[in-house]
Order: sequence, then structure tokens, then C-alpha cells
Amino acid sequence: SQKIEQNSEALNIQEGKTATLTCNYTNYSPAYLQWYRQDPGRGPVFLLLIRENEKEKRKERLKVTFDTTLKQSLFHITASQPADSATYLCALDRSSNTGKLIFGQGTTLQVKP
Amino acid sequence: DGGITQSPKYLFRKEGQNVTLSCEQNLNHDAMYWYRQDPGQGLRLIYYSQIVNDFQKGDIAEGYSVSREKKESFPLTVTSAQKNPTAFYLCASSGRMKGDQPQHFGDGTRLSIL
Repeated sequence: SQKIEQNSEALNIQEGKTATLTCNYTNYSPAYLQWYRQDPGRGPVFLLLIRENEKEKRKERLKVTFDTTLKQSLFHITASQPADSATYLCALDRSSNTGKLIFGQGTTLQVKP
Repeated sequence: DGGITQSPKYLFRKEGQNVTLSCEQNLNHDAMYWYRQDPGQGLRLIYYSQIVNDFQKGDIAEGYSVSREKKESFPLTVTSAQKNPTAFYLCASSGRMKGDQPQHFGDGTRLSIL
């Protein structure tokens, strides 16, 4: 069956460290993978999109990798800050650039000062 | 500022009652979506619309209905047939319905049963 999984356990790290979040999927061949940030009681906010032919994408302190062989994306936040504390969602296009995204359940990141 | 506005923020439904959630966007986007979010679960697609006067069922459409009479508006009705309506409902839009298009979300409506 098709699945997209993120670590359901919260990730707690110290300010200044690098946070790494994982998104694994099975039985999909997405052309695109997206990452969103969601704060409590708010809607998700788009962060980054990576294409299947891109190994890595960066935006300021954020970096995303996409390994289509391992069927995995990693999301990194370098020099983390308490303001980075939120839930991070990965989403992939379920097939053939349909735009019908399937979302992971999200990983909650807590950055401690 | 351009964005998506959902209202109300909180909504309560009585047994046997239909309720309508509002979603308005001023981003001039063609595609709009409704998702449901339950604790510990990913967003699940209820309905989507690629263009005005057209909409399609998503993964969990039973007990819900939508309309798309105007480009900027995509209201969702939760009918009495939806037996477990308590959830956080999110509306989103994108320029086109393609996988390379980021989706822009509203801040949600939390629906509860009285």
C-alpha cells in the first residue's frame, strides 16, 4: 500500500544545533516533494519544493534532500532557534504531477534555548 | 495583503444540522482545496476544484459538499451524513493544480459537535 511517514515522536534539540527531520514514502514515484511548517491552530505555510532530479535544495538556514532510490527526503534546519519550534509536514505529489498532494502526519520540533 | 480567509474560526454543530465553512482567496488562483486534519494524522483531501464551476471528490468526500461559483470562493458544507465531523478544516489554493505548485492555506476552522 502507499504510505508517507514522518517521525511521530517530537524532536527536541538545543538552540544552535542542526535539526534533521525525515520523510519516508513507499509505493509512490513523486516528481515533486514539498515541505511545510505548521504552528498550533494555524494553517501550514509552504517552505521548500524539491524536484525528483534535484539532490538538494537550500533556502537560508533550510536544506532539503531528496533520494528517490531510498524514497526519502531529509529536512535540515541549521543554527536552530526557539522560533523554529513548530510542526513540519512533508507532502508529495501522488502521481504524474496531478497536484493532488499526500501529506505526512508531521514531526514536531522543539528548540530549547 | 493577498491570502486565504476562512471563517468562522470555531463552529459548533448540532445533531442533524448542516453547517457551511467559508473560504475566500484573493490570490487569483485557479485551484482550491479542502482538507481535514485530525490529531496525529496527515491532512486528508476532501474536495478540490481546478477551475470555476468544476470540482472533484477527494479521498474522504462522503458527508461533504462544495460549490465553486466564483473563482475566489470555495465553501464547504458538512452535512448531517458526516458522522464524525469534529476536526480542523483547512482550505488551500494554488495557481494551478500541479505538483510543482505550492499550496497556500488559510488558518482553518475548528468544528465541534454540541
